[in-house]
Amino acid sequence: ETVMTQSPATLSVSPGERATLSCRASQSVSSNLAWYQQKPGQAPILIYSASTRASGIPARFTGSGSGTEFTLTISSLQSEDFAVYYCHQYNNWPRTFGQGTKVEIK
Amino acid sequence: QVQLQESGPGLVKPSETLSLTCAVSGYSISSGYLWGWIRQPPGKGLEWIGNIYHSGSTHYNPSLESRVAISVDTTKNQFSLKLTSMTAADTAVYYCAREVAFWGKGTTVTVSS
Repeated sequence: ETVMTQSPATLSVSPGERATLSCRASQSVSSNLAWYQQKPGQAPILIYSASTRASGIPARFTGSGSGTEFTLTISSLQSEDFAVYYCHQYNNWPRTFGQGTKVEIK
Repeated sequence: QVQLQESGPGLVKPSETLSLTCAVSGYSISSGYLWGWIRQPPGKGLEWIGNIYHSGSTHYNPSLESRVAISVDTTKNQFSLKLTSMTAADTAVYYCAREVAFWGKGTTVTVSS
């Protein structure tokens, strides 16, 4: 199984600052990596997949990486960006998720 | 716009079988993509359960494989999840999704007598 490891577990950031989230795969997932944002009581929404920003997602979200190392950068955090972010590989079976990074207000 | 809607019982007794259905609108399952189920226990992260192709070919999480079955009904444009021998550890929000972009809102399933 492909283990997805996210870091840090919690990121404390002030509004307007940059946030950098990391996701590492235990084996290559090529570019088949998605990032999801989840707010309390809501379903996850797709932010990025295969290095492409999802429809309707602001340009302040940037995904990068391939193989085993991936990064999601939020250039200037807005109040609506405080949430939990999950990475998800859809290259290998079984599909797997990271444990999540909580982005909280500093 | 692709939309998915889960339906099924909110409460299941221990040892019973959970049956959930995901109705798809805005896209024909027969046209392709992988369709699947993900769950999230209270306060925890996301767990992939399994996927199915429109052809009926399936892939399952090894940790659940002995208890899970996913099927597709292209005539009704829906797919279903069955999970047997339910325990309290299976209490979760269950989501259906079209890999990777479209998810349902989720349905809460509680296992309790």
